[in-house]
Amino acid sequence: DAGITQSPRHKVTETGTPVTLRCHQTENHRYMYWYRQDPGHGLRLIHYSYGVKDTDKGEVSDGYSVSRSKTEDFLLTLESATSSQTSVYFCAISKETGELFFGEGSRLTVL
Amino acid sequence: GENVEQHPSTLSVQEGDSAVIKCTYSDSASNYFPWYKQELGKRPQLIIDIRSNVGEKKDQRIAVTLNKTAKHFSLHITETQPEDSAVYFCAASQRSAGNMLTFGGGTRLMVKP
Repeated sequence: DAGITQSPRHKVTETGTPVTLRCHQTENHRYMYWYRQDPGHGLRLIHYSYGVKDTDKGEVSDGYSVSRSKTEDFLLTLESATSSQTSVYFCAISKETGELFFGEGSRLTVL
Repeated sequence: GENVEQHPSTLSVQEGDSAVIKCTYSDSASNYFPWYKQELGKRPQLIIDIRSNVGEKKDQRIAVTLNKTAKHFSLHITETQPEDSAVYFCAASQRSAGNMLTFGGGTRLMVKP
């Protein structure tokens, strides 16, 4: 299963609070991604990383930051959560075949 | 950037019938077109993909066709079964760009027994 784990899997928080989602992989893949999934919008890329400390913005990066201090960990941070950030967040890695393999998802609710 | 449109958003078929989902993309540089299936509450999983040097690809009951001139590609599922019920996503990317996929909005396929 490409050894991807996301944590937490579910979180409820209040508007204005900081939130960090963690993605951990065990297979040393170079590329890692954070997507959000919302009804009618499919999956939209938030940020991606192409190596340790190498990250870049995706389509919907406003309000999000990321960090990758180790190959195996890719963190997504919402500095001050808003209700519009209620979503399901998927981490993914890119395999050598080109296939994107997704984690199980983290469901975030911002009240 | 790339924009991927997917139709229809919902599709209901009788078991045994065929289902077709269509996608269009905007960036002529895109050269990789995967399809993902997502069952309720689960992660999206790759079911088939096609690259721009190929016009059609089949895997058992699933086939994908690509028309690069028209910038559209389609997923065909034959002899549908209840377990085919899921949300299907098309996507497009340039393989040289770290495989950052742009997804369509998804199609909810319902196969009625």
